[in-house]
Amino acid sequence: AQKVTQAQTEISVVEKEDVTLDCVYETRDTTYYLFWYKQPPSGELVFLIRRNSFDEQNEISGRYSWNFQKSTSSFNFTITASQVVDSAVYFCALSEAYNQGGKLIFGQGTELSVKP
Amino acid sequence: GAVVSQHPSRVICKSGTSVKIECRSLDFQATTMFWYRQFPKQSLMLMATSNEGSKATYEQGVEKDKFLINHASLTLSTLTVTSAHPEDSSFYICSATGYNSPLHFGNGTRLTVT
Repeated sequence: AQKVTQAQTEISVVEKEDVTLDCVYETRDTTYYLFWYKQPPSGELVFLIRRNSFDEQNEISGRYSWNFQKSTSSFNFTITASQVVDSAVYFCALSEAYNQGGKLIFGQGTELSVKP
Repeated sequence: GAVVSQHPSRVICKSGTSVKIECRSLDFQATTMFWYRQFPKQSLMLMATSNEGSKATYEQGVEKDKFLINHASLTLSTLTVTSAHPEDSSFYICSATGYNSPLHFGNGTRLTVT
């Protein structure tokens, strides 16, 4: 069975601190997709990244970076120099390959609060 | 701009009435649409998968007679919550994907049943 675990329910940091959100997944598939979404209080899901299981390169996009390690089934997300606007709930998600990333299994979410 | 439009964004209805939520793909053909439900402070749970022109596939525990899904065209899927009750109050969000089109989410519908 597929499962995504985000063990951190809530994280609170002060602006400019770095913060890492953990994501551990379980799947029997050899080909799959991993995602991160941001959900601000308004509710919409903001797409951050999609990574397929064959691409283990770490990725950096501005203040955001992702560390994908198949050996530990983890896909962690780091925000560098956090800002108040980063405050939101962040979801990690997993999709089977045949869905091309359509049917997502979400983790429980991590609520990030960045205080000024 | 949004590539998946979900309407309405908020709806309040009385217990026992039905509510229809629309999910439209604006600039691509959505062969598959997904409907999720999110209770406050919880994760998103998939309710059903709908492929254009065929019956929706519901996840275990989701009542198909209560949550009617129609995907009659390549740009529109609807979710109708029939005989809504307060426990159906939730955030409903759709997503859509198509040929050579990545997944896009709508902005969600916050349903409150009084």
